[in-house]
Amino acid sequence: NAGVTQTPKFRILKIGQSMTLQCTQDMNHNYMYWYRQDPGMGLKLIYYSVGAGITDKGEVPNGYNVSRSTTEDFPLRLELAAPSQTSVYFCASSTGPHTEAFFGQGTRLTVV
Amino acid sequence: RKEVEQDPGPFNVPEGATVAFNCTYSNSASQSFFWYRQDCRKEPKLLMSVYSSGNEDGRFTAQLNRASQYISLLIRDSKLSDSATYLCVLGSSNTGKLIFGQGTTLQVKP
Repeated sequence: NAGVTQTPKFRILKIGQSMTLQCTQDMNHNYMYWYRQDPGMGLKLIYYSVGAGITDKGEVPNGYNVSRSTTEDFPLRLELAAPSQTSVYFCASSTGPHTEAFFGQGTRLTVV
Repeated sequence: RKEVEQDPGPFNVPEGATVAFNCTYSNSASQSFFWYRQDCRKEPKLLMSVYSSGNEDGRFTAQLNRASQYISLLIRDSKLSDSATYLCVLGSSNTGKLIFGQGTTLQVKP
């Protein structure tokens, strides 16, 4: 069972570059989430989606964009990468905020 | 005020000890509550959901106090394998958000 798959697992970006973090799930979940986790900290919600075509901002959306054209995919776009975006990024999916969320293995991003 | 607050610890306890974590929340509209476990450099995984009546799963007991807006996790007879970070999570059916606390680190020593 694939569950939630994130790619890439690791990436080094230069300041000002752009990239897309990919997230796909095969559980037919309507809800999907993007979080970032800085060292020693909890997860902060960047963006989330309650279904295809619907996205909304979380706690720390600045510098990021998302789209949700299909139920399966929820890519996260970084434009003009900055050192402050160095973090571990987790994607998650669930049937709703009242049920278990399943996470991908994370993407470790370093901006230099 | 943060939506979810936890004491980051670390809590250092000997094997066999009982340890308790609390988590306070500010949004009274939060409707679902969870404890997740995160091992070092890994993704979080659900430990247990938290219900108003309280619930128990083996050595783990979770409780919710809506009046005081806090949830708790009690771990009895700690094992070395319980060493991890425990994350308090709130789900809002109104917005669809899942909000995580900072996490509490537990180290169980032999």
